[in-house]
Amino acid sequence: GQNIDQPTEMTATEGAIVQINCTYQTSGFNGLFWYQQHAGEAPTFLSYNVLDGLEEKGRFSSFLSRSKGYSYLLLKELQMKDSASYLCAVRDWNSSASKIIFGSGTRLSIRP
Amino acid sequence: DTEVTQTPKHLVMGMTNKKSLKCEQHMGHRAMYWYKQKAKKPPELMFVYSYEKLSINESVPSRFSPECPNSSLLNLHLHALQPEDSALYLCASSRGGTSTGELFFGEGSRLTVL
Repeated sequence: GQNIDQPTEMTATEGAIVQINCTYQTSGFNGLFWYQQHAGEAPTFLSYNVLDGLEEKGRFSSFLSRSKGYSYLLLKELQMKDSASYLCAVRDWNSSASKIIFGSGTRLSIRP
Repeated sequence: DTEVTQTPKHLVMGMTNKKSLKCEQHMGHRAMYWYKQKAKKPPELMFVYSYEKLSINESVPSRFSPECPNSSLLNLHLHALQPEDSALYLCASSRGGTSTGELFFGEGSRLTVL
């Protein structure tokens, strides 16, 4: 099976930096995704890591360590619109098919 | 066109009704997914279709019946649902089968079962 853990809630200040951690256990790891979801809306794709290291995309960066089963999403220069849930998701591959499983999500609140 | 379109956006049905949710994408993606999401919970995988064939069923009750008529369309047929089935149903697609690319989500169909 799969197990994906991330903090339930975090709070940060506008203009600051926040790091959201995710740990996972899966038998057939084949990539890790971060999604952003505003209340009442569908998830939107932020980043994808399949190899170890840091992927940077504007204000957002994502890091992966496969040996540690660990990832983080780094958000810089926080804006009020960044208040949302951030979902860590893992692609798990078995012999016949792959599926993307979501962690429980981290609700990020940005204060002025 | 980078959209996944779901209809209807809202659906209210009784426990004896039969209804269907529809999903369409024109990105040439060959994998399509149904997820169920309850309030303040993450999306839960229900079904995966790869090249129009059902490849994953996450032990979903038979009152939910998926159908993939062609590579652009995905349906979810609903029959004899329970109030606890009320949720947001999200359709998603990815390119090249299930082992590549990120998921593109539709806006969801919000289902209420009375």
